[in-house]
Amino acid sequence: KNQVEQSPQSLIILEGKNCTLQCNYTVSPFSNLRWYKQDTGRGPVSLTIMTFSENTKSNGRYTATLDADTKQSSLHITASQLSDSASYICVVSEVGSQGNLIFGKGTKLSVKP
Amino acid sequence: DAGVIQSPRHEVTEMGQEVTLRCKPISGHNSLFWYRQTMMRGLELLIYFNNNVPIDDSGMPEDRFSAKMPNASFSTLKIQPSEPRDSAVYFCASRLRGSSYNEQFFGPGTRLTVL
Repeated sequence: KNQVEQSPQSLIILEGKNCTLQCNYTVSPFSNLRWYKQDTGRGPVSLTIMTFSENTKSNGRYTATLDADTKQSSLHITASQLSDSASYICVVSEVGSQGNLIFGKGTKLSVKP
Repeated sequence: DAGVIQSPRHEVTEMGQEVTLRCKPISGHNSLFWYRQTMMRGLELLIYFNNNVPIDDSGMPEDRFSAKMPNASFSTLKIQPSEPRDSAVYFCASRLRGSSYNEQFFGPGTRLTVL
């Protein structure tokens, strides 16, 4: 069964600190992996998208990595800001699925001053 | 572009009542998706349309749920009769099929509470 598992479920860090969120998946055949940021009361917004051949991609202070062999991804946030407080959702797409997405349950990040 | 528009943003209703959620996709997009999000299950795909035609409704939980897309700029998700376990946030997303990474763009969601 295609699944996407994220850890930790929730995380609290102090402003200015770095953190890393994890994602493991069993989706096969793999097409691409996305990280979404979802602010409270809003819809998810794409941060990064990586295909099989890409093992790292950055978007400002966000850096995503992908190891397609071990089927793991991470999202690293550098110098966290209060506005980084949100849920971060790992999403995997399967080849031939017409772009249908398989969602993890997300990591809820709280950045405290 | 205004992005994906959903209405209402919040809906509170009583068990047994009919609920209709509305979505206007991004102009020019040819695929539309309805999702449900709960704390327990996260985001789940309910149904999606390509060129206004329903392609996969296997995620629709029960016959009480129905979705229509009468034209390229409007879709509805209807629950009749509603039950307390339908309480969730419902998202609509659209994409331009064949675009880079088949990127989906989400609306702000409708928070449904069934009492």
